[in-house]
Order: sequence, then C-alpha cells, then structure tokens
Amino acid sequence: ELKVEQNPLFLSMQEGKNYTIYCNYSTTSDRLYWYRQDPGKSLESLFVLLSNGAVKQEGRLMASLDTKARLSTLHITAAVHDLSATYFCAVDSLEEGAQKLVFGQGTRLTINP
Amino acid sequence: NAGVTQTPKFRVLKTGQSMTLLCAQDMNHEYMYWYRQDPGMGLRLIHYSVGEGTTAKGEVPDGYNVSRLKKQNFLLGLESAAPSQTSVYFCASSLLAGGLATQYFGPGTRLLVL
Repeated sequence: ELKVEQNPLFLSMQEGKNYTIYCNYSTTSDRLYWYRQDPGKSLESLFVLLSNGAVKQEGRLMASLDTKARLSTLHITAAVHDLSATYFCAVDSLEEGAQKLVFGQGTRLTINP
Repeated sequence: NAGVTQTPKFRVLKTGQSMTLLCAQDMNHEYMYWYRQDPGMGLRLIHYSVGEGTTAKGEVPDGYNVSRLKKQNFLLGLESAAPSQTSVYFCASSLLAGGLATQYFGPGTRLLVL
C-alpha cells in the first residue's frame, strides 16, 4: 500500500528566508504532483514531476524528484507572505487503467513579515 | 470554460438523511474522482471513474455511492448520512495523455452532518 508522508506538517517562517518541504513515499512511482491550497479554497496544481532527477521551478518555488530515494522536495527561496498556504504532494499509485493519487497530509506554511 | 464545478457549496444534514453531490466538468476529461478532506489527513479518494458508465472504489468508499451516467457529470450519494461523514468533499477530473495527467479540482462542498 502506497503511503505518502510530508514533513514538516506546520512551518512558520520569516519573509526572506529559505526552507524546504519534504515528501517521502513508500513504493515505486515516478509521477509526483505538488498542489497548493489557500484557506477555504480548492487545490491548485503547482508542479508535475515525471522522472528521476526532474526539477521544476516557478518563481520562488522549486520542486525536485529523486525516485531512488522515493523523495521529493519543495524548496522556497526568499519567502514572501503571498506563499502562505497549505502545500500537498501526491504520488500516482500507477495502478493499471487509472490515475489514482495518494496525498500527503499537507504542510501548512505561514510566512510572517 | 468553467472547469470543474460542484453543487451545492455547503449543506447541513441530519443523521440518516440522504443527499447527492453533483460534479460537472466541461473539459471533456475521461477520469473523474471524489475525495474527502479532513483536518490533518490530506485528501482521501472515495470513488473514481475512468469513463462514462464506469465507477470504482477508492480508499474510503463505505457509506457512499456514485454514478457516471454522462461523461461530464459524476454524482456522489450519501444514502444515510452519519456524523463521521462531516467533511469537505472535492471533485476532480483529469485527462490521461502520454503518462501525464494533472487532476483539476472543483471548489469543494462543505458538508456538516448533525
């Protein structure tokens, strides 16, 4: 059974600092997704990582995937308040005939001025 | 292009009542999903569909039924609501093409069962 774990679950940081959110998963997969959720809102797709060594960047966020270590990271550079949200990683279970995602618990990120 | 829409946005039920949540997508996606989101647990898959007329169980299907009579609609039913079904329900859809299939989520339905 595929399990996905994120850490930390809560992160409070100051503007301008750098930090990394980690996403570990338990079985083989080479498809990993990062989503953002603002309070009371739906999920917004951030990154899709499809192979070992994949790296995607958008603004102050950079995501990477190491399929051998079963680990993805979401790195935040010089954080700004607008990045405050909950971030989820999700791993495709690669079951035949369907795309079934297993989500991590989410990391609630608060960026303080 | 509305994307994924959900009806209703919010509902209060009494234990034992029934209701149906409607999800509609206008992106011609084959795959549709129902999730529930509870505090500290991320999203958990309830049921999903890989095409019109097909449905399958996800991780937490008990107490729910679904139907996909039309490609663009995916209905989630609660036959006899229980307080444990208080949650936020999200519908999503995706199109699998070349191994890439980002799921697009609806705005969510907040359900409170008293």
